[in-house]
Amino acid sequence: DAKTTQPTSMDCAEGRAANLPCNHSTISGNEYVYWYRQIHSQGPQYIIHGLKNNETNEMASLIITEDRKSSTLILPHATLRDTAVYYCIVRPPNDYKLSFGAGTTVTVRA
Amino acid sequence: GAVVSQHPSRVICKSGTSVKIECRSLDFQATTMFWYRQFPKQSLMLMATSNEGSKATYEQGVEKDKFLINHASLTLSTLTVTSAHPEDSSFYICSARSGQGRGEQYFGPGTRLTVT
Repeated sequence: DAKTTQPTSMDCAEGRAANLPCNHSTISGNEYVYWYRQIHSQGPQYIIHGLKNNETNEMASLIITEDRKSSTLILPHATLRDTAVYYCIVRPPNDYKLSFGAGTTVTVRA
Repeated sequence: GAVVSQHPSRVICKSGTSVKIECRSLDFQATTMFWYRQFPKQSLMLMATSNEGSKATYEQGVEKDKFLINHASLTLSTLTVTSAHPEDSSFYICSARSGQGRGEQYFGPGTRLTVT
């Protein structure tokens, strides 16, 4: 049962910001929003997560809407190495299993 | 920090044999480790969850007698694929979660298994 909906694919230009949307309209009040990415033939890499507030780290920013039904991952200056499949995952606070959907295939073009 | 390794990175075995894959947390103690499988052009599918010192919990449809999981220490979990068949060929990925701090999950680089 998919708890998140993401676009199948998107292209973005190198050096520009990449905005990756995710819908999670059935999210519960205490569930976190996690983002991971998987570069081809590698294990997933943790990017960022949040609950209610917007979050920023050295990799990306996470913007969560006030109603928490959607979020956007922002890669501020995309590089060719950011080409990957990006997964948006909703996780309950005490269940650490991650359920991966199809994700968004992001292709950064020079 | 938060490095997870897997060994081997790729393995080829003959049908009917068994193969063991190791997952190690290098710089933290992992109270919980997870094993995933990923077929070509598909997403990761959770196979099982293992807690140190206890039996693994398998997801529905995953044969526990075929995929043996041992989590004998806080830094090592092993997955043994017994009596492997060509349909077991896949990318196997482990992840480890620390019991401290925020307890984030960190993934290994994966093991490519090919059964001939």
